[in-house]
Amino acid sequence: EIVMTQSPATLSVSPGESATLSCRASQRLTSNLAWYQQKPGQAPRLLIYGAFTRATGVPARFSGSGSGTEFTLTISSLQSEDFAVYYCQQYNDWPRTFGQGTKVEIK
Amino acid sequence: EVQLLESGGGLEQPGGSLRLSCAASGFTFSTYAMGWVRQAPGKGLEWVSTISGSGAMTFYADSVKGRFIVSRDNSKDTVYLQMNSLRADDTAVYYCVKSSEADYSFDSWGQGTLVTVSS
Repeated sequence: EIVMTQSPATLSVSPGESATLSCRASQRLTSNLAWYQQKPGQAPRLLIYGAFTRATGVPARFSGSGSGTEFTLTISSLQSEDFAVYYCQQYNDWPRTFGQGTKVEIK
Repeated sequence: EVQLLESGGGLEQPGGSLRLSCAASGFTFSTYAMGWVRQAPGKGLEWVSTISGSGAMTFYADSVKGRFIVSRDNSKDTVYLQMNSLRADDTAVYYCVKSSEADYSFDSWGQGTLVTVSS
């Protein structure tokens, strides 16, 4: 099983600042890496797939990067609606696995 | 617009069974793999199962293998999760998910249905 490790667990950021979230895989991935956003009481929403491709309707301030075992989600100029929990997920192999999540909170 | 509507959740005793349904609309259902992801209260996301578009291939998390069965009826645009031998640690919100056309990320999610296993 590929273990996904996200850091930090919580990130405190002021509106307008940028946030960098990390995700590490225990095995090399072939860019089959997605990022999801989940707000309280809501279902998750796909943000990024293929490590760096934004899903339909996702603002350009969200960007994904990385390869191999190290991946990053960057949110530039955080808006109020961006404060949420973010999960990475690998779909390179079965079983599919998620990271434990990073909570982005208002500083 | 893609819509996924889950139903069938509720309270069940340990050892019991439940069947979840997910009615899909807004896309050509038989073309896409579908699946289930769950989230225990206050916890993170856990992939449960995926079924291919034709239904010929199924995949399960180790935690549910041998107890849960995923199936689909492409004539009804519906995917199911038969949950047997339920345990307390199966308590979670169960989300129906659609796989992306581009790859196997989950590009659409239902609103979720809560399953509570308790005596």
